[in-house]
Amino acid sequence: DQQVKQNSPSLSVQEGRISILNCDYTNSMFDYFLWYKKYPAEGPTFLISISSIKDKNEDGRFTVFLNKSAKHLSLHIVPSQPGDSAVYFCAASAMGGSARQLTFGSGTQLTVLP
Amino acid sequence: DVKVTQSSRYLVKRTGEKVFLECVQDMDHENMFWYRQDPGLGLRLIYFSYDVKMKEKGDIPEGYSVSREKKERFSLILESASTNQTSMYLCASSLGVAGGYTFGSGTRLTVV
Repeated sequence: DQQVKQNSPSLSVQEGRISILNCDYTNSMFDYFLWYKKYPAEGPTFLISISSIKDKNEDGRFTVFLNKSAKHLSLHIVPSQPGDSAVYFCAASAMGGSARQLTFGSGTQLTVLP
Repeated sequence: DVKVTQSSRYLVKRTGEKVFLECVQDMDHENMFWYRQDPGLGLRLIYFSYDVKMKEKGDIPEGYSVSREKKERFSLILESASTNQTSMYLCASSLGVAGGYTFGSGTRLTVV
């Protein structure tokens, strides 16, 4: 049972336009959410995060929105650039336990077309 | 530049072999993790460790074990490799806060 779902395996957008990547979660205990970007043959790299006490966090071209009532978050990239082409993973974390574990979604392959 | 280093980028092993995947971090992080990445399944947690000699099972620990004898090193062991363990293996480390993980570059393991 996947607790973090990315229902779109792929997304293509034109350079300069907005990319919107979506993520849904089922565990109401999740209180911290992150987005990672992964290029082929490399490990994922941290992109942006948001705490459940916020509904928006912005960092340059990247903005993450959190809708707690819908258990939904999204990553907006504006404007999209060809170098943004990568797999994007949504991840969520809950307080408690011996260590903060991240639960990842299945990823969305973003292709930005020049 | 802080790093998580995985000893091998590519490995090919035979069915039934014992396989060791090594991971070293230089950030003095308490927590270390092993994930595998498979198409359509994302990253799934195999094992993690929150202290030296401490370990906990993740979501898919079957067929794997781990060892953490020193804080900086976390090893994943496939006791008897099988073809369904062909995958990309990713090691990560973190401090004890939800600041995210630092990942290694991954080891692409093929079991034939």
